[in-house]
Amino acid sequence: GAGVSQSPSNKVTEKGKDVELRCDPISGHTALYWYRQSLGQGLEFLIYFQGNSAPDKSGLPSDRFSAERTGGSVSTLTIQRTQQEDSAVYLCASSLRDSNQPQHFGDGTRLSIL
Amino acid sequence: GESVGLHLPTLSVQEGDNSIINCAYSNSASDYFIWYKQESGKGPQFIIDIRSNMDKRQGQRVTVLLNKTVKHLSLQIAATQPGDSAVYFCAETGANSGGSNYKLTFGKGTLLTVNP
Repeated sequence: GAGVSQSPSNKVTEKGKDVELRCDPISGHTALYWYRQSLGQGLEFLIYFQGNSAPDKSGLPSDRFSAERTGGSVSTLTIQRTQQEDSAVYLCASSLRDSNQPQHFGDGTRLSIL
Repeated sequence: GESVGLHLPTLSVQEGDNSIINCAYSNSASDYFIWYKQESGKGPQFIIDIRSNMDKRQGQRVTVLLNKTVKHLSLQIAATQPGDSAVYFCAETGANSGGSNYKLTFGKGTLLTVNP
């Protein structure tokens, strides 16, 4: 597609369940990012992938969060044993390369933990 | 400008007026800056960027000004339209963002409301 695609757009789940969020970046973009946006807040960096390099996981808030990127394209963000504080919009972005390039965002997955 | 806490700064303008949205940043090593527009239920949309070797850049109806001396960034929107109503975020990155220059640091955002 023309832009970054994320699915599902909305996810409601019970506390303690695992969730998996998907991101399909813009074709040809080598860099992929995950951010989290809580209500009324700015964006919080979670993780970054660039090509075959080791990902930068420094923004992941706990070991319940993990992400992978298969084949240098699609990425999945997994949250295990979800907690209510995990409720947020999870945004994915991609860029042509990493440095000094605008990151283009998808519309996010709105995650609600009951 | 930047907010402290959960309350977004707001700017309300009349249709056709010019709008100026401000952003202060703290990292003197930041060398790349972006403005994003976010509408309700959507992801941030890229508007314009500027590198630290410039102090002004213009796009279609938008101008970004960078003052590195006082670490201040502004977005000017000419002839503001109702469709410009959204939250506007500034973002920055630089060589000392954890040793990388890809990790964007976002401000809390400014809510722009355009009255017809």
